[in-house]
Amino acid sequence: DAKTTQPTSMDCAEGRAANLPCNHSTISGNEYVYWYRQIHSQGPQYIIHGLKNNETNEMASLIITEDRKSSTLILPHATLRDTAVYYCIVSDNAGNNRKLIWGLGTSLAVNP
Amino acid sequence: NAGVTQTPKFQVLKTGQSMTLQCAQDMNHNSMYWYRQDPGMGLRLIYYSASEGTTDKGEVPNGYNVSRLNKREFSLRLESAAPSQTSVYFCASSGWSPGANVLTFGAGSRLTVL
Repeated sequence: DAKTTQPTSMDCAEGRAANLPCNHSTISGNEYVYWYRQIHSQGPQYIIHGLKNNETNEMASLIITEDRKSSTLILPHATLRDTAVYYCIVSDNAGNNRKLIWGLGTSLAVNP
Repeated sequence: NAGVTQTPKFQVLKTGQSMTLQCAQDMNHNSMYWYRQDPGMGLRLIYYSASEGTTDKGEVPNGYNVSRLNKREFSLRLESAAPSQTSVYFCASSGWSPGANVLTFGAGSRLTVL
């Protein structure tokens, strides 16, 4: 699975949109982009994933560039409870996650 | 709807002691995983089980053994604990569905080896 690059940390004001970037320039055509977050040493939690098209669910939106070499996770109205480490992962969805590469993610601080 | 349950949440061991971390999932998932997380490092896969009756090594298997007891349960055993095994351990499971391969994690087990 391809490796991703994320900023180490970001800040966001409460109520504003948080835009978290991720580079995955070596992504293959059959690989999906997944986002997870980890709140204060709890287990990581799935947020959203996508292949080519932009995706939205109740937690966030995912914008993937046309060349698929980068993506942005958007939390539209960040709250203090969104303070967490956000991981961008690339997976080929082959049914086994043993090759996933978990980097250090982006530590997002949502400030009052 | 419990998801993935890990026990114990906290454990302190002395060097050389043994212990087993238990993990159970109620989502009928085929695949289960054990990860460790250390400060300044990403999650690292210790062992995984693609399906009931199979297990295989991940990135950092030395010092650990696993048992896939049945489809629900996947345990991690430390036979002779070492200070280098001080870490937070996460169990996870995943089930295949078209277009998605989502991992569900437990709450973690914090292990300290003195």
